[in-house]
Amino acid sequence: DADVTQTPRNRITKTGKRIMLECSQTKGHDRMYWYRQDPGLGLRLIYYSFDVKDINKGEISDGYSVSRQAQAKFSLSLESAIPNQTALYFCATSVGYLNEQFFGPGTRLTVL
Amino acid sequence: AQSVTQLDSQVPVFEEAPVELRCNYSSSVSVYLFWYVQYPNQGLQLLLKYLSGSTLVESINGFEAEFNKSQTSFHLRKPSVHISDTAEYFCAVSERAAGNKLTFGGGTRVLVKP
Repeated sequence: DADVTQTPRNRITKTGKRIMLECSQTKGHDRMYWYRQDPGLGLRLIYYSFDVKDINKGEISDGYSVSRQAQAKFSLSLESAIPNQTALYFCATSVGYLNEQFFGPGTRLTVL
Repeated sequence: AQSVTQLDSQVPVFEEAPVELRCNYSSSVSVYLFWYVQYPNQGLQLLLKYLSGSTLVESINGFEAEFNKSQTSFHLRKPSVHISDTAEYFCAVSERAAGNKLTFGGGTRVLVKP
């Protein structure tokens, strides 16, 4: 079984809709991250959480919100989706100060 | 703010030829350095990392990268590529004093041709 899972794997939605992407991990890591990937831009950090009560904005948090429901679960929401949020979204986890991150398989989101 | 530059967005290369992927970063403080690989339709996997010690680090599948502090570079090399090395490669940097968040480069897509 995969250590970091993301649901859904693919989603097509319309402008203005609320969307939630979910991430679960069985690695026991305390740190979790959400990134978006766009061609030529690499991965950019949206939000990150170092434990259940710690949520921090990343580089590009506008238009997104997150919820850390438990140590193992970290959800990303788009309150009102817009077309330029079409991207590949990755969840990642890490532990300790070395910050080697482990990535989920990604969610491909298309906003029409 | 930290920035990471991967100078080549695409690198076509023939099978069994060498390849070098360039990565430069902007930080002047102590950093950790990483190369991640993304195979088609998959998430990112750690390829290799530099934390401290020897400036030359190696992966299990023949890649190596050298940390050059004076040039703030961490270039990735492989002396002989295989078709299976076709993937996108991302350089990433983490500042030890900045909560260890990763900053990624834009990626280099390697296409190995037979």
